[in-house]
Amino acid sequence: RKEVEQDPGPFNVPEGATVAFNCTYSNSASQSFFWYRQDCRKEPKLLMSVYSSGNEDGRFTAQLNRASQYISLLIRDSKLSDSATYLCVVNDRYGRQLTFGSGTQLTVLP
Amino acid sequence: EAQVTQNPRYLITVTGKKLTVTCSQNMNHEYMSWYRQDPGLGLRQIYYSMNVEVTDKGDVPEGYKVSRKEKRNFPLILESPSPNQTSLYFCASSLTDRMGDSPLHFGNGTRLTVT
Repeated sequence: RKEVEQDPGPFNVPEGATVAFNCTYSNSASQSFFWYRQDCRKEPKLLMSVYSSGNEDGRFTAQLNRASQYISLLIRDSKLSDSATYLCVVNDRYGRQLTFGSGTQLTVLP
Repeated sequence: EAQVTQNPRYLITVTGKKLTVTCSQNMNHEYMSWYRQDPGLGLRQIYYSMNVEVTDKGDVPEGYKVSRKEKRNFPLILESPSPNQTSLYFCASSLTDRMGDSPLHFGNGTRLTVT
């Protein structure tokens, strides 16, 4: 079983749609959680951290469920510019190593 | 401009010919790391360094070496490259090794092909 698992997609959604991605992690001792965004052939960039209480940044909402060991990302009112691969990232208990999921590909269609 | 710089961007080489991919950051970051990215496998950590002269193996260190003689530089060395090392490589840095406190900044990537 992979340490961090994501549905690879692709998710093709129309502009304005709401889309949600889930990610599960296997290490119950994991401490920190993040969503990174990666555009085609480019470097990953931090989208947002995920806090226990859930957090929102504009159209993006991230949530953590420690009991079930999954995190989620919700994108509302999708824009064409949201098309990218979204990487779920989990930090180990010592805070030194990040484990990346293989990513979920999103394409927002006009 | 704050950045992580990797060179070269593209490299095609032959099996067994030693190569070095350079990585430099200008943000005075303590933590630096190398990843490789392969289809369906995501980003996997090769080596990381928490400060000068301190390096540790990541998940896939076999066939790679690193050094951290200066804070800003963290080169990745392939002593005898093999075709299974064909991949997209990213260098990244962070202010500290406590990932909850500071995000990773990635370089632009190096696409390596070993024939």
